[in-house]
Amino acid sequence: DAGITQSPRHKVTETGTPVTLRCHQTENHRYMYWYRQDPGHGLRLIHYSYGVKDTDKGEVSDGYSVSRSKTEDFLLTLESATSSQTSVYFCAISDRDRVNTEAFFGQGTRLTVV
Amino acid sequence: GQQLNQSPQSMFIQEGEDVSMNCTSSSIFNTWLWYKQEPGEGPVLLIALYKAGELTSNGRLTAQFGITRKDSFLNISASIPSDVGIYFCAGPHGSSNTGKLIFGQGTTLQVKP
Repeated sequence: DAGITQSPRHKVTETGTPVTLRCHQTENHRYMYWYRQDPGHGLRLIHYSYGVKDTDKGEVSDGYSVSRSKTEDFLLTLESATSSQTSVYFCAISDRDRVNTEAFFGQGTRLTVV
Repeated sequence: GQQLNQSPQSMFIQEGEDVSMNCTSSSIFNTWLWYKQEPGEGPVLLIALYKAGELTSNGRLTAQFGITRKDSFLNISASIPSDVGIYFCAGPHGSSNTGKLIFGQGTTLQVKP
């Protein structure tokens, strides 16, 4: 298994509160990603990072921000959580310095906004 | 925009049966990936395909990269209860070389012992 740890694994929060999810990797991979998974939608990309302090938006980035101050850590922040952000969030990593394009996923964080 | 359509959406089969599922796109892909997700876990890569027409096996799983580059197929032979899960196809998102992926909606597989 790829060395990816997501924390927390489960969280319940109230509407309007800030929430930060953490992804930590031990593989020294350059690329890191945050996806959300919702029924009927598969996984959709929120934000990604291609290096320390280098991040960009994905297809569903509204209401989310990210930061990457170290290679191993990628943080996802919901500045003011809404019920529509209730979802399962997955972090993924990829080593694009190699030929292959596979991404490896963490175990996910289940977030409930009440 | 890019979109991947998987079919069927769900399958309920008897143990021992073979399974076939597919993934189609309106645009060309240069890579096809197949993932499996078990309850409460993240997706795990099963097979990666990089060349049109390529046929790759991983145990009882076989996947093919369609010649048109707009589709891919995954077959599971002699299904067993531990095959239960959601199977996703995925491909590179857009033309940038950043490893971003676009996913199909998934095929949910249930196996009756």
